[in-house]
Amino acid sequence: DAKTTQPPSMDCAEGRAANLPCNHSTISGNEYVYWYRQIHSQGPQYIIHGLKNNETNEMASLIITEDRKSSTLILPHATLRDTAVYYCIVRVPYGGSQGNLIFGKGTKLSVKP
Amino acid sequence: DVKVTQSSRYLVKRTGEKVFLECVQDMDHENMFWYRQDPGLGLRLIYFSYDVKMKEKGDIPEGYSVSREKKERFSLILESASTNQTSMYLCASRRTTGVEAFFGQGTRLTVV
Repeated sequence: DAKTTQPPSMDCAEGRAANLPCNHSTISGNEYVYWYRQIHSQGPQYIIHGLKNNETNEMASLIITEDRKSSTLILPHATLRDTAVYYCIVRVPYGGSQGNLIFGKGTKLSVKP
Repeated sequence: DVKVTQSSRYLVKRTGEKVFLECVQDMDHENMFWYRQDPGLGLRLIYFSYDVKMKEKGDIPEGYSVSREKKERFSLILESASTNQTSMYLCASRRTTGVEAFFGQGTRLTVV
């Protein structure tokens, strides 16, 4: 089973920041937080990951709380092309069954004009 | 760019047929995965492979088998297709110590 809890859906106005929350209260010390997204009719795509520090790349920012029990993915200026299902996943950063990606239901983000 | 290529985008098969879904990756990744995706159920792991000739069951292996004879190719086999195997099938690959998993575009299989 997925170790994360996300709201089933969210809306965001185009050009505004989209903040997607994720709860992972049972995360272990060696598990990272990963975010993927799946645009309609495509395979999932990696966005970002982190352990305990905030991370930023060209796609998004990841804010992880100090106790690591929750995190927020931030899309700073959402566009219509960001409409997708966003998955928050916790896993260890190596192989073996513990390192598998186990997907929950995700959050369906709808960016509206 | 890493490519994970699935042999068919859409497939229609009859009940009882033996079905092969093929997946090829071009980045020498050790790990490969097969998922199925159904409305309301999300992506569920069927089988995975850590290396050539190695395979492990995922969460829903019943009715499926896999083959990994070469590092770049991971095949999902439906021995006797049934209508409840109508689904979107997604293949993925990743280095053992890699951060990112790369997914194919998916095969939408319909069993009639």
